[in-house]
Amino acid sequence: GAVVSQHPSWVICKSGTSVKIECRSLDFQATTMFWYRQFPKQSLMLMATSNEGSKATYEQGVEKDKFLINHASLTLSTLTVTSAHPEDSSFYICSARDPGFSGGYTFGSGTRLTVV
Amino acid sequence: AQTVTQSQPEMSVQEAETVTLSCTYDTSESDYYLFWYKQPPSRQMILVIRQEAYKQQNATENRFSVNFQKAAKSFSLKISDSQLGDAAMYFCAYAGANSKLTFGKGITLSVRP
Repeated sequence: GAVVSQHPSWVICKSGTSVKIECRSLDFQATTMFWYRQFPKQSLMLMATSNEGSKATYEQGVEKDKFLINHASLTLSTLTVTSAHPEDSSFYICSARDPGFSGGYTFGSGTRLTVV
Repeated sequence: AQTVTQSQPEMSVQEAETVTLSCTYDTSESDYYLFWYKQPPSRQMILVIRQEAYKQQNATENRFSVNFQKAAKSFSLKISDSQLGDAAMYFCAYAGANSKLTFGKGITLSVRP
């Protein structure tokens, strides 16, 4: 089946620095990827939709200058958290629609970000 | 906008018994997909089952089945012969024409040995 690889699985960074999270579709091309944020024991909140070759579409309330999304190829989308602060600490997950849209979505394994 | 409601935050089931997780949704679309995802402690999202709205037949995947009531906008998940490995957080989700997944708040299922 379709596989989405997300890296790193966890990262600790200092306040004020930036961190990049990568999301790759390993065996299929993903023109659209989705980025979610999840707090402990809560649901996934869609942050933005990443579109290959064009600007990402951000959900209401998500700061596009803080969460930079780049989808430069059909297999790679990146999320950069800029000038990170402790309140940005969270679990970030990416997903892509399964090839041919058989009705499914495949998720990356997530990235736990801790800002100290 | 579409909404997905899971009103039960937690449920518990005895091993080998059956449990049903509830989900309702609200939409004005006629064509859409519904999903149940499992998130174990590893936090990897795992697809349990999906249902196309145009299909009247309820989806089934081994021990997992759904009761899809389109008119009532209800989509419950039944887990038969519960196993310890079924313990996880379960999310009901909706995908419509814009392809965005909308998730419910989730329910934590525990399985008693």
